[in-house]
Amino acid sequence: GAVVSQHPSWVICKSGTSVKIECRSLDFQATTMFWYRQFPKQSLMLMATSNEGSKATYEQGVEKDKFLINHASLTLSTLTVTSAHPEDSSFYICSARGAWDTGELFFGEGSRLTVL
Amino acid sequence: GQNIDQPTEMTATEGAIVQINCTYQTSGFNGLFWYQQHAGEAPTFLSYNVLDGLEEKGRFSSFLSRSKGYSYLLLKELQMKDSASYLCAAMDSNYQLIWGAGTKLIIKP
Repeated sequence: GAVVSQHPSWVICKSGTSVKIECRSLDFQATTMFWYRQFPKQSLMLMATSNEGSKATYEQGVEKDKFLINHASLTLSTLTVTSAHPEDSSFYICSARGAWDTGELFFGEGSRLTVL
Repeated sequence: GQNIDQPTEMTATEGAIVQINCTYQTSGFNGLFWYQQHAGEAPTFLSYNVLDGLEEKGRFSSFLSRSKGYSYLLLKELQMKDSASYLCAAMDSNYQLIWGAGTKLIIKP
């Protein structure tokens, strides 16, 4: 099946710093990528949807200036958490949908962010 | 509004069968997905139903009734490694996935 790679898997940073998370589709072109946040024992919360070459569409309540999403190519999307605070500590997961659009999503491994 | 309901937690015995139910309400419908998620890991795809009926895939089967807004995931011959959360997600008319909170399945020896 299609492979999505997410990096880094774990990141610890100090409050006030920025963290970038990369999401790559390794063997297919991802026309659409999704970014989720998941708190412990809760389901996935969609943060934003990004299409290659256009601005991301953010879900209600998600600060676009804090969570910067760049989908510069058909194989790479990045999420930058700016001026991170302890409450931003969470599991961040990306998923991608290919051009064939069967609807199936391919997930990255996830990135666990801890802000001290 | 759009909504997905599934039980929070279920317990079953190794070797047995368990059925995890999911009901959904969405604006339009383009299919129902089941994902498995082990603790600390990303979800992995299990099944996709867009037509009514049962889809069987090895030990796992998924059923859909569009008229009832209902699906279930059936797991047979349970193994300890099946202990995980099972996420139900419905795709609406805009091809957006609406996620359930997940059902934590606990398998006992």
